[in-house]
Amino acid sequence: LAKTTQPISMDSYEGQEVNITCSHNNIATNDYITWYQQFPSQGPRFIIQGYKTKVTNEVASLFIPADRKSSTLSLPRVSLSDTAVYYCLVGRISSGSARQLTFGSGTQLTVLP
Amino acid sequence: DVKVTQSSRYLVKRTGEKVFLECVQDMDHENMFWYRQDPGLGLRLIYFSYDVKMKEKGDIPEGYSVSREKKERFSLILESASTNQTSMYLCATLGLAETGATGELFFGEGSRLTVL
Repeated sequence: LAKTTQPISMDSYEGQEVNITCSHNNIATNDYITWYQQFPSQGPRFIIQGYKTKVTNEVASLFIPADRKSSTLSLPRVSLSDTAVYYCLVGRISSGSARQLTFGSGTQLTVLP
Repeated sequence: DVKVTQSSRYLVKRTGEKVFLECVQDMDHENMFWYRQDPGLGLRLIYFSYDVKMKEKGDIPEGYSVSREKKERFSLILESASTNQTSMYLCATLGLAETGATGELFFGEGSRLTVL
């Protein structure tokens, strides 16, 4: 199983770019990297997914170096409403083997005014 | 939008009681999951189902069982609740993805269980 490691917490100020890094040293060849966001009293919500290099969508970018042993979620110009826990998930589904989906412990991002 | 509904947001049960947590999805997804979430431990997979009547143990299945009699419904059962099962329980379904990709998990809002 690909074990993931994330910082426990991070603080930032409104308008800044925030980068959260996840370490996954034993990622498998076929594993994808996915990031989720979770607000209090809600289930996690999908942000972005990638396999290599860079992926960008309307809310975030995901940077994955060539060795794929880490990944960085980049949130541009954060606002107070981005205060949440961010989870890194590494793995892939293969015929009934969901244990290959490994969540990290999450990073509590606090955006300050 | 995908809707994943968990039957109870908050439950309080006594040690030894049998507890049912229900999850219903409306998107015809084949894969459904039960996670528990505890402070400092992130999300841990309890059980997974990839088809009706099919199930697989996750990382922490001890003390739990599941039932998937219909595609849209996945139930988590605590045969004899214990205090160490006090936790937030999250149900999820898996959306389609490009070949080989993990796809997107859609979560319910969670069921907070307290066992006294």
